[in-house]
Formats: sequence, C-alpha cells, structure tokens
Amino acid sequence: DGGITQSPKYLFRKEGQNVTLSCEQNLNHDAMYWYRQDPGQGLRLIYYSQIVNDFQKGDIAEGYSVSREKKESFPLTVTSAQKNPTAFYLCASSRGQGSPNYGYTFGSGTRLTVV
Amino acid sequence: EDKVVQSPLSLVVHEGDTVTLNCSYEVTNFRSLLWYKQEKKAPTFLFMLTSSGIEKKSGRLSSILDKKELSSILNITATQTGDSAIYLCAGAGGTSYGKLTFGQGTILTVHP
Repeated sequence: DGGITQSPKYLFRKEGQNVTLSCEQNLNHDAMYWYRQDPGQGLRLIYYSQIVNDFQKGDIAEGYSVSREKKESFPLTVTSAQKNPTAFYLCASSRGQGSPNYGYTFGSGTRLTVV
Repeated sequence: EDKVVQSPLSLVVHEGDTVTLNCSYEVTNFRSLLWYKQEKKAPTFLFMLTSSGIEKKSGRLSSILDKKELSSILNITATQTGDSAIYLCAGAGGTSYGKLTFGQGTILTVHP
C-alpha cells in the first residue's frame, strides 16, 4: 500500500545534539512538507519541497535543516540551534491541484522530547 | 504572510449537543479551505471547500465556505464522545502544489 513512513515514532534528544527525523513516501508525490505541532495547537510549516534538490523555508525554519536528494525522501534535522525542539513532527506529501484534497497525505508523526 | 484563525480554541459539550466551529482566513491567491480531524496522530481529512455557499455534508458533519467574509464553519450535530478531537482548518493558496496554512485548531471535548 502507498503511504508515508515516518521514523522513529519517539525520539529523545540530549541538549546540544542534532537529530534527524526520517520521512519516506512511495506515492510518487512531487511535494513534501514538514510541520511542527505543539500540544493542543495547530500545525506550523517548517520546510517544504516541490521538487527534488529544491526546498523552501516555511514559517518556523530557524534551527532546522532539510534535504531532498530523492523524490521519495525528505529528512528533517533538528539542530542544536533549535532552542525548544520538544514537539510532535508531522511529514506530509501532496500530488497538487486537480486532486481531491490535493492528494494530501500525512505520516503518523515523530514525537521528539529533549531530555 | 498567510494567516488562518480558528475559534473557539477549546470547547466542552455534552453528548447530543450541536457545535459550530469557526475559521477565518487571509490567504494569498486563495484556492480552497480544508477541514481535518486529529485524534492522536495524523490529521484525517474531512472536507475541502472551494465554492462559496455550497454546503458539504458527511453524516453529522457539515461545512460551508463564505468567500465574501473569508470564513468557514464546521457544524457537528448530535455530538458523540468519539467526536472529541482537535479540529484543524487550513487554507490553500499560492502555489499549485497545495501548501497549506493551518489554524491553531479547536480542541473539542464531548462528555457522556
């Protein structure tokens, strides 16, 4: 079955560490997104990519980095510069206009906790 | 900068009540407004609204878009405990690839 796989489901980070969250899709979608969700709140866009080897900053990109070397993969690195990284991270992909719901598909998320 | 605002931020009701959730948007080159339900993990798609004044329904849920007022409402009738969730509204505009701007969400709690 096609879908988005995020790993790990839970991740613990020590102060000063960089960690990388994985996001892989087999839907052949061009666009991929990373969102951050804090408890009881909506989703805020971190980075997005519309095509391989290209990506744009979202609303809260500081302290994060991404790469898009393959269409299927869009990993997110939470760097030590991100002062408050504890949150729920959601990856998504979309097929774009012309599709119901833009063909928007979410992964099941990674919960990151700083210890 | 695109902006989506939801109200109320939280709502507590009893089973059988009817609730109305509000969403207002300021989205450049607005195309559509989407509603999602989020229980534990990934948001689940509810509705996508593109045309003003046309109600979309799915069981006890319905939604309508008002492009003149730049707003949308989500109605849930005869609420059940299973309706307890975060309800997210998102605006789509700008690029053709469906970049969404989400609101803060409304936390709905339905008591037995």
